[in-house]
Amino acid sequence: EIVMTQTPLSLSVTPGQPASISCKSGQSLLHSDGRTHLYWYVQKPGQPPQFLIYEVSNRFLGVPDRFSGSGSGTDFTLKISRVEAEDVGVYFCMQSVQPYTFGQGTKLEI
Amino acid sequence: QILLVQSGAEVKQPGASVRVSCKASGYTFTSYGISWVRQAPGEGLEWMGWISTYSADIKYAQKFQGRVTMTTDISTSTAYMELRSLRSDDTAVYYCARDRTYYVDPWGQGTLVTVSS
Repeated sequence: EIVMTQTPLSLSVTPGQPASISCKSGQSLLHSDGRTHLYWYVQKPGQPPQFLIYEVSNRFLGVPDRFSGSGSGTDFTLKISRVEAEDVGVYFCMQSVQPYTFGQGTKLEI
Repeated sequence: QILLVQSGAEVKQPGASVRVSCKASGYTFTSYGISWVRQAPGEGLEWMGWISTYSADIKYAQKFQGRVTMTTDISTSTAYMELRSLRSDDTAVYYCARDRTYYVDPWGQGTLVTVSS
């Protein structure tokens, strides 16, 4: 099982300020298909997780461009350039080079 | 609109079984598999397994092998997850999600299963 480790576990940000979440995997997420299978979700209060970013850096349909993903191998980062009130929630990274495993989650508060 | 609608909350005694349903709509059910993920109170996300809707393939997480059964009913576009020999630490919200091979999206609304005597 690939262990996914997120930091920090909680984050308090003033609206308009940036936020950054780190996700580290226990082994490389570069697949033999040439793609890196690292994904980001956000779970807003009382809702199921919503898809944010696929394959490290690609925003899913409708995700605002203030969200960006980067990284390679085992180290990845989700950045929000200017946090808005609606961004409150728990952010999870997920890998899929082996059976899905998730990071512990990072709670973003305003 | 793609929707996965799950059955309602359940309260079970230790040792019992629970079956959660997940009805899909808005897409061709047999084009994607279904994964099940659970979230214990205040905890993270835990993948339980995946079932194909177009073949006989099923994959269970090792932790749940022997205690979980996933099935589908193609005629009603519904997936089911049964968990047996329930313990208090099985108390969690159980989600189904459409499986896109390397990620899951969208998710059902979740079903709270409470295990308590």
